[in-house]
Amino acid sequence: DAKTTQPPSMDCAEGRAANLPCNHSTISGNEYVYWYRQIHSQGPQYIIHGLKNNETNEMASLIITEDRKSSTLILPHATLRDTAVYYCMLGSSNTGKLIFGQGTTLQVKP
Amino acid sequence: GAVVSQHPSRVICKSGTSVKIECRSLDFQATTMFWYRQFPKQSLMLMATSNEGSKATYEQGVEKDKFLINHASLTLSTLTVTSAHPEDSSFYICSARDWGAGGAYNEQFFGPGTRLTVL
Repeated sequence: DAKTTQPPSMDCAEGRAANLPCNHSTISGNEYVYWYRQIHSQGPQYIIHGLKNNETNEMASLIITEDRKSSTLILPHATLRDTAVYYCMLGSSNTGKLIFGQGTTLQVKP
Repeated sequence: GAVVSQHPSRVICKSGTSVKIECRSLDFQATTMFWYRQFPKQSLMLMATSNEGSKATYEQGVEKDKFLINHASLTLSTLTVTSAHPEDSSFYICSARDWGAGGAYNEQFFGPGTRLTVL
């Protein structure tokens, strides 16, 4: 079973920031938080990952709470092409497995 | 990011036949590859972990004799669906991971998927 919970769907206006929350209250010390997205009928695309510090790359920012029990993915200026299912997952540095939950369907609207 | 390819992208076969799907890491060596299955409107389900040069590890409920996985080189893993039936029709996706020097923890890169339809 997935170890994360996400809202099933969210809307965002084009050009605005999209903030996608994720709860992972049972996260263990060696688990990273990973975010991927899947556009219809394609393979998932890596977005960002982090352990305990906030992370930023060219696609997004990841904010992890101090207790590591939740995180937020921020797309700073959402475009229509960001419409996708966004998956938050915990990845073990030991096994490397990623277990997908149901994700959040983000709809960016004009 | 690194590129993972899958072949074929689509396959239609008759019930009872076997189908082989290839997963290749194009610009890095993948010591570990993963195979997933996705039914319409559902999330990805991990089927198995494939390590180069050793037997695959299957998730609970996945029949290892039906879904044969071979990871013979650092850039190629294959999934063979044996004696396919209509209920095996699905989107099959692989991912590859490069552990990096010293076992550094890196992200998985996913292939574009293979759409299997069994008639």
